[in-house]
Amino acid sequence: NAGVTQTPKFQVLKTGQSMTLQCAQDMNHEYMSWYRQDPGMGLRLIHYSVGAGITDQGEVPNGYNVSRSTTEDFPLRLLSAAPSQTSVYFCASRQVDEQYFGPGTRLTVT
Amino acid sequence: KNEVEQSPQNLTAQEGEFITINCSYSVGISALHWLQQHPGGGIVSLFMLSSGKKKHGRLIATINIQEKHSSLHITASHPRDSAVYICAVSWNNDMRFGAGTRLTVKP
Repeated sequence: NAGVTQTPKFQVLKTGQSMTLQCAQDMNHEYMSWYRQDPGMGLRLIHYSVGAGITDQGEVPNGYNVSRSTTEDFPLRLLSAAPSQTSVYFCASRQVDEQYFGPGTRLTVT
Repeated sequence: KNEVEQSPQNLTAQEGEFITINCSYSVGISALHWLQQHPGGGIVSLFMLSSGKKKHGRLIATINIQEKHSSLHITASHPRDSAVYICAVSWNNDMRFGAGTRLTVKP
């Protein structure tokens, strides 16, 4: 099993650009989620999904979109990047009492 | 107000010492999670528990639902245990995180 994979590892965007952070898992987990981690703020939930076709907002959803067309994939879209979205982004999947995190994507918006 | 409070923020220990990290929360939860984040940034889930106690190797996690409190214990600490330990709580598919405890274990 590859676990949870994320691409890219690093990304630099200009303000106003859009992009998609990719996340995939091969464990057939129903629950997937996206978090951002900022110094002094800790981890915060952006969006989550409890299965294909079902998504919902977390604590800090503004400026981000998600979709879940398959169990395996849960991409996060930045519609119009802003410097406030500079952060490290983690994707995770969970089933019963197992949770796995991806390696993270470090995003800088200039 | 943060739903999850951890203490201490920073902890330095000598190799072999018994370590305790505490977590208090203020909401009704489905589960409490302990995570470990290494200096390289990767996050590993250590425990997910909703009652009682779990043990994995030298790590023990306990939770008291009535007092809304959990502890993470590390026995016979080792320099490789140096990391940030994060407490998180989940309910209704939502999740909130503590600020983390930075543990340094010196040889």
